[in-house]
Amino acid sequence: QQKVQQSPESLIVPEGGMASLNCTFSDRNSQYFWWYRQHSGEGPKALMSIFSNGDKKEGRFTAHLNKASLHVSLHIKDSQPSDSALYFCAASNYNVLYFGSGTKLTVEP
Amino acid sequence: GGIITQTPKFLIGQEGQKLTLKCQQNFNHDTMYWYRQDSGKGLRLIYYSITENDLQKGDLSEGYDASREKKSSFSLTVTSAQKNEMAVFLCASSMRGNQDTQYFGPGTRLLVL
Repeated sequence: QQKVQQSPESLIVPEGGMASLNCTFSDRNSQYFWWYRQHSGEGPKALMSIFSNGDKKEGRFTAHLNKASLHVSLHIKDSQPSDSALYFCAASNYNVLYFGSGTKLTVEP
Repeated sequence: GGIITQTPKFLIGQEGQKLTLKCQQNFNHDTMYWYRQDSGKGLRLIYYSITENDLQKGDLSEGYDASREKKSSFSLTVTSAQKNEMAVFLCASSMRGNQDTQYFGPGTRLLVL
C-alpha cells in the first residue's frame, strides 16, 4: 500500500521568504502527483500537479519531482501571509489518491 | 466552473446513531469520493464511485456505507456513531480518475456526544 510522508510537520517563514516542503512516496508505480492547500475551515484546493521528472513552475510556486528517489517537493517564493495554510502532497495509484499528513505553513508578517 | 455542496455543515449525533451525510456536484464529473480528516491530519479515503450505482471501498470503509444513485450526488452513512468521535468528512469529485484533479467540498464537521 502506498505511504506518503511529508516533512517538516510545521514551518515558519518570514513574509517574502522561501518556503520548502518535502514529500516522499513508497510506490514506484505512482505516476501522478499533486500539491493541495487547505485554509482553516475550508476543503483542500489543488495548487498544482506534476507528472514528469524535473521542475514545474506556476507563478511563485515550483514543484520538483524525482521518481527515482521517490521524492516530490514544493517551493514557495516570496511567501505571503495568505500562504499560511496546511499543505498536502498526494500520489495517485489506480484512481486512488494517497495523501500525506500535511505541513502547516505559517508566514509571519 | 462548478461547485461541490455538502450538507449538513455541522452534525451532532449520539453514540450508536446512524448518521447520513450528503454531497452534490455540478461539474458533471464521473468520479466522486468521501474522505475523513481527523484534526490537523491527512485525508483517508472511505469510499469512491466511478459512475452512478458503482461503489469502491477505500482503506477506511469499515463502519460506513455509501450510495451513488445519481451522477451528481454521493451520500455517506456512518452506520453506528462512536462516542467522542470528532472528524471532518470531505466529499470530492474528479472528471474520471487517475490523472484528473480532485475538487473538494467544504466538509461536514461531525461531533458524537
